[in-house]
Amino acid sequence: DAKTTQPTSMDCAEGRAANLPCNHSTISGNEYVYWYRQIHSQGPQYIIHGLKNNETNEMASLIITEDRKSSTLILPHATLRDTAVYYCIVIKASGTYKYIFGTGTRLKVLA
Amino acid sequence: NAGVMQNPRHLVRRRGQEARLRCSPMKGHSHVYWYRQLPEEGLKFMVYLQKENIIDESGMPKERFSAEFPKEGPSILRIQQVVRGDSAAYFCASSSTSGGSSGANVLTFGAGSRLTVL
Repeated sequence: DAKTTQPTSMDCAEGRAANLPCNHSTISGNEYVYWYRQIHSQGPQYIIHGLKNNETNEMASLIITEDRKSSTLILPHATLRDTAVYYCIVIKASGTYKYIFGTGTRLKVLA
Repeated sequence: NAGVMQNPRHLVRRRGQEARLRCSPMKGHSHVYWYRQLPEEGLKFMVYLQKENIIDESGMPKERFSAEFPKEGPSILRIQQVVRGDSAAYFCASSSTSGGSSGANVLTFGAGSRLTVL
């Protein structure tokens, strides 16, 4: 599975959009980009995933560059409860189960 | 509509004792995964099980650790003769599939079991 690179930490003002980048320059054609987050020692929570098209759900939007070498997770209106560690994971589809969690980005939403 | 249930949430053991951590997957999920998170580190894969079968235990330490997912009942992660280095948060996750055309399997995680070894 492709390796990912994320900034160690970021701050965001409450109510503003939080944009979390992820580089995955060695991604291959059959690998998806997944985002999970972990709020203060709780279990990780699935946010969103995509292959090559931009995706949106009730939690966030995922923007994947045309060459698929990087992506951005967007939390449109960050709240204090979005303070968490955000993990970008690249993983193959069928038959793959071994998620590799790196150190992620520690997002702090400021009041 | 309970999620993944783990117990105990907190467990304290003395060196040399045994620790048993239990995980009940989400209803309808037949795939169970165990991950370990050491303090200030990311989650590390330990083992993947389906009912009555260990599919991949490549992340499990070779000694003292074992896992099972019996036909009836929860999945159990067992640590024998615990040492201080076993102190960690142990997370269980479950999924309904092993992936397919819409992507890999989405994992639903439990709240974790925090083991402290004195």
